[in-house]
Amino acid sequence: DTAVSQTPKYLVTQMGNDKSIKCEQNLGHDTMYWYKQDSKKFLKIMFSYNNKELIINETVPNRFSPKSPDKAHLNLHINSLELGDSAVYFCASSGWSTQDTQYFGPGTRLTVL
Amino acid sequence: AQSVTQPDIHITVSEGASLELRCNYSYGATPYLFWYVQSPGQGLQLLLKYFSGDTLVQGIKGFEAEFKRSQSSFNLRKPSVHWSDAAEYFCAVGARGAGSYQLTFGKGTKLSVIP
Repeated sequence: DTAVSQTPKYLVTQMGNDKSIKCEQNLGHDTMYWYKQDSKKFLKIMFSYNNKELIINETVPNRFSPKSPDKAHLNLHINSLELGDSAVYFCASSGWSTQDTQYFGPGTRLTVL
Repeated sequence: AQSVTQPDIHITVSEGASLELRCNYSYGATPYLFWYVQSPGQGLQLLLKYFSGDTLVQGIKGFEAEFKRSQSSFNLRKPSVHWSDAAEYFCAVGARGAGSYQLTFGKGTKLSVIP
């Protein structure tokens, strides 16, 4: 059973397009996250979402918007894609306690041409 | 704000040799510390974590890490490396801020293993 799953695994698209990445967790966790891993492998938090409360990293452009239809899903929508958006995007989930481990999905490699 | 430094970008060891990956953190309160491993093309897998108590933490795959508050360090060790340990290793500090709990990652250390 996959704990945190993401689709698609690979996404290749043109500049200016709008795309979405889906994330689902079956761990019953309260909190979900999106991270961006750049070409140098640096991982940075983009969003965390808990009980309908969204915390946004201030450096994330407003072209990026997370949407949570229910507690088990947190999808990432990206409008007007730019070359610099090319990266690997990871979804993660955890409980609300500070001692809860974050479990990561397999990642989605986004390439913007 | 918290930060994590992994001083070694790339380390190469021979199979069977011992390994130590360095991690230094900066955080004003008691840190929650983690080591994750990322195999090529894969997501991140938790190796071990430290919250409190015994400063020597045992993890999966034979890894251990020692928390040293005086040195602000949380170094990862393994007594004998296997070829399958070749991967990217990330140290992270967890902290609660602005209403959410977040992980701040170091930039990673790539481990290569020579047969």
